Amino acid sequence: KAGVTQTPRYLIKTRGQQVTLSCSPISGHRSVSWYQQTPGQGLQFLFEYFSETQRNKGNFPGRFSGRQFSNSRSEMNVSTLELGDSALYLCASSLGPGVGSPLHFGNGTRLTVT
Amino acid sequence: AQSVTQLGSHVSVSEGALVLLRCNYSSSVPPYLFWYVQYPNQGLQLLLKYTTGATLVKGINGFEAEFKKSETSFHLTKPSAHMSDAAEYFCAVSGAEYGNKLVFGAGTILRVKS
Repeated sequence: KAGVTQTPRYLIKTRGQQVTLSCSPISGHRSVSWYQQTPGQGLQFLFEYFSETQRNKGNFPGRFSGRQFSNSRSEMNVSTLELGDSALYLCASSLGPGVGSPLHFGNGTRLTVT
Repeated sequence: AQSVTQLGSHVSVSEGALVLLRCNYSSSVPPYLFWYVQYPNQGLQLLLKYTTGATLVKGINGFEAEFKKSETSFHLTKPSAHMSDAAEYFCAVSGAEYGNKLVFGAGTILRVKS
């Protein structure tokens, strides 16, 4: 079974631009979560989607948004990029939204903002 | 806010020696508990999880962890370290007291010396 697929693997953008990251979950998984990983803040929760609905959201500004499609694929968007948005963005999928369901992670998209 | 603490940002062991990575949670109600491993330039891989039942949990690659409610701990161990175990390890918890999302510790980098 194919794992979680994130595209692209690497991105370089300049301040003020916007970016869209894509995530395809494991087949049959309907819940998708996004995390930001930085050396200083570690792994920070961005949001979780299930059945095209945002179920949970972390403490990030409104510049960070996401959505989920009917096939469970998800995208996240960051507008008006700042230098501090440089990070590894990880997508994870699970069978359902239950807190006991383990997350299966993709290899991430490394975003560099210059 | 409830938190999860990993004692020691770096741990160094000799090949063949015992690996012990420490994790403590802060909630009054035991959460769901997980250990993940991250190799360079990759996402996170689930090592093991505790939800209910037996307090000693066996995972992949010879790792195991023991849930101790009285100590609010979930330490990860492996009897004999292998060079391939060198990676960063994350303890994670989820549950109502953690906002119904997976909350990660800061991580412990394991170095294995030959």
